[in-house]
Amino acid sequence: AQSVTQLDSHVSVSEGTPVLLRCNYSSSYSPSLFWYVQHPNKGLQLLLKYTSAATLVKGINGFEAEFKKSETSFHLTKPSAHMSDAAEYFCVVSDRESGGYQKVTFGIGTKLQVIP
Amino acid sequence: DADVTQTPRNRITKTGKRIMLECSQTKGHDRMYWYRQDPGLGLRLIYYSFDVKDINKGEISDGYSVSRQAQAKFSLSLESAIPNQTALYFCATSDWTAGSSNQPQHFGDGTRLSIL
Repeated sequence: AQSVTQLDSHVSVSEGTPVLLRCNYSSSYSPSLFWYVQHPNKGLQLLLKYTSAATLVKGINGFEAEFKKSETSFHLTKPSAHMSDAAEYFCVVSDRESGGYQKVTFGIGTKLQVIP
Repeated sequence: DADVTQTPRNRITKTGKRIMLECSQTKGHDRMYWYRQDPGLGLRLIYYSFDVKDINKGEISDGYSVSRQAQAKFSLSLESAIPNQTALYFCATSDWTAGSSNQPQHFGDGTRLSIL
């Protein structure tokens, strides 16, 4: 069965400090993993994706994530938070089920607050 | 112009009314999806379509129907709206490569629907 767990519903950091948003997943096959960001009144925007190439994935706006198969984790990090990073972040797993059907599962989201 | 356009952006209506949400895309993708977003629940799949002749139920399709009028258009209908269908609705598209699960989804900006 496929699932995604975002370990924190809310994260609060001070501007200029590191960001860590945690995501664990389960999948029966070889998944692709994504992080999306959602700003208020906007749709989800792709930050980065892991597709079985390099395990350290760099995305837009200075974010990166590391795929750790042994820990079934795909945590999102950024060295220094900016006020504009305040948003909701979604971890997503995608995999092919038997028959070739692509199943996509979203985490429940982590709201990032950046304090000036 | 946005690649995935949803109309309307906001809608308030009464219980029992029929409502249609529309989605159009200029990305040329075959696959289109409808999700609803509720606080604390992430995104849940309502319906998806792999091409004009292929429509499938998602995890929460009861009370909803869809129509894929063309490759670029995918509409969601609530035949008789009820208050617990109040939510933020998103349309998404994705490309498809044979044997691959690594294509990200591209989202519209959402329709905020309130059923009184």
